[in-house]
Amino acid sequence: GQQVMQIPQYQHVQEGEDFTTYCNSSTTLSNIQWYKQRPGGHPVFLIQLVKSGEVKKQKRLTFQFGEAKKNSSLHITATQTTDVGTYFCAAANTGNQFYFGTGTSLTVIP
Amino acid sequence: EAGVAQSPRYKIIEKRQSVAFWCNPISGHATLYWYQQILGQGPKLLIQFQNNGVVDDSQLPKDRFSAERLKGVDSTLKIQPAKLEDSAVYLCASSLVGGRHTEAFFGQGTRLTVV
Repeated sequence: GQQVMQIPQYQHVQEGEDFTTYCNSSTTLSNIQWYKQRPGGHPVFLIQLVKSGEVKKQKRLTFQFGEAKKNSSLHITATQTTDVGTYFCAAANTGNQFYFGTGTSLTVIP
Repeated sequence: EAGVAQSPRYKIIEKRQSVAFWCNPISGHATLYWYQQILGQGPKLLIQFQNNGVVDDSQLPKDRFSAERLKGVDSTLKIQPAKLEDSAVYLCASSLVGGRHTEAFFGQGTRLTVV
């Protein structure tokens, strides 16, 4: 299967601080999706990026797809306790099979 | 709109026994995925169906795992015989089509414990 690495594996932040997770692939991707999984829950779709250099925003969340389409990032501004969970990228190859990254577990300290 | 339904929610079996999981995707969704998620890891794609055809099963341990999607709707995933390392949450997901602009909707998962 495709190798998709995410860093960091864990992140603890004070409420109000920013948070960023990075997703890296050794191969060029067709597109990338981001999911959030709350503790004990299932992954929930956040967004999909398709174009090289694409940037999308959802309120406090900013998603970016690298120019070479090999990496992506998710940035959360001013974290809240509701942001707690594990954030996964899911990278699609040309066959559109989605391979999930290793995930970044976010803890927000009130 | 009803979500992806999975059953059972929990299953405990002894090693070498067999087990089956069932998934009913969202109505009209052509693509169905089975993922295995071991505690602390990301979901691992086991098999992807497009209607009733297999798109990718490269990571499915075919000596013990099997899956089918008869009539292109419901799907079952079977493990026979189970091993201790099969303990995980098995997630079913579906998407409208397996194209570039589709999001996957996940079911609640089946938590399997092999003892």
